[in-house]
Amino acid sequence: QVQLVESGGGVVQPGTSLRLSCAASGFTFGTYAMHWVRQAPGKGLEWVASIWFDGSRKDFPASVKGRFTISRDNSKNMLYLQMSSLRAEDTAVYYCVGERMHARFFDYWGQGTLVTVSS
Amino acid sequence: QSVLTQPPSASGTPGQRVSVSCSGSSSNIGSESVSWYQHLPGTAPKVLIYSNNQRPSGVPDRFSGSKSGTSASLAISGLQSEDEADYYCAAWDDSLKGYVFGAGTKVTVL
Repeated sequence: QVQLVESGGGVVQPGTSLRLSCAASGFTFGTYAMHWVRQAPGKGLEWVASIWFDGSRKDFPASVKGRFTISRDNSKNMLYLQMSSLRAEDTAVYYCVGERMHARFFDYWGQGTLVTVSS
Repeated sequence: QSVLTQPPSASGTPGQRVSVSCSGSSSNIGSESVSWYQHLPGTAPKVLIYSNNQRPSGVPDRFSGSKSGTSASLAISGLQSEDEADYYCAAWDDSLKGYVFGAGTKVTVL
C-alpha cells in the first residue's frame, strides 16, 4: 500500500534551518509530482512547495519563496524540504503529498511531522 | 485571508443533506478543476472529490461535487456521525502559479 513517512520535525529557534524528509513507497514515485502542505495550529491547510516528477520545475508561494527549497531523489524514493530563516509563523504540521503528474489534486498524504519555531 | 472562500461551519442531523460552498475567481475555480478533502484531527487529509465531481474508489457515493463558474460545492447526503470533520476545497491558481485552499468548513453532525 502507499506510504509517505515524514521525518525531521522538531523544535527550533527563529532564524535557524531545518530539513524535512519524506520516504515514499507503494507507488511509482518517479512519475508523481510531490508537494509539501502545512497546517498551522488552529488554521487551515496551506500549500508550501511543489516539485515536478523529474525535478525540472519547482514552485513556492510568496510566504516561503526564497527561504524554502524542495528537492527529490528518485533513486531513493525520497522528498526533502529545506527550510531556512524560520519564523514563528512557520510552526505547523508539514505533510508530504503526492500528485499524479498534472492531475491537479493531492492523491496521497503522509501523517505529517510537527515543526515548532520558538525561542 | 484565503483565496478560496468557504463558510466556517455547517451542520445537520443524521440522514440530512449538507452542502459546503467554495467561492473563487477566474484564475482558479473559473479555469481549473476543484478538489475536496476531508480532514479529521490527528489524521492525514483524504481526497473526496477531484476534477470537480469525480470520486476516488472507496469514497462513498454520499459525497458529490459540482462546479459552476467561479464557485464549487460539496454535498454530503445521508449525513453520518463519522462525517464530522473539516472539509477543504482546493484548486490551482494560474495567477499565483500555485495551489490555493479554502480556509476549511467544520461539519458538525447534530
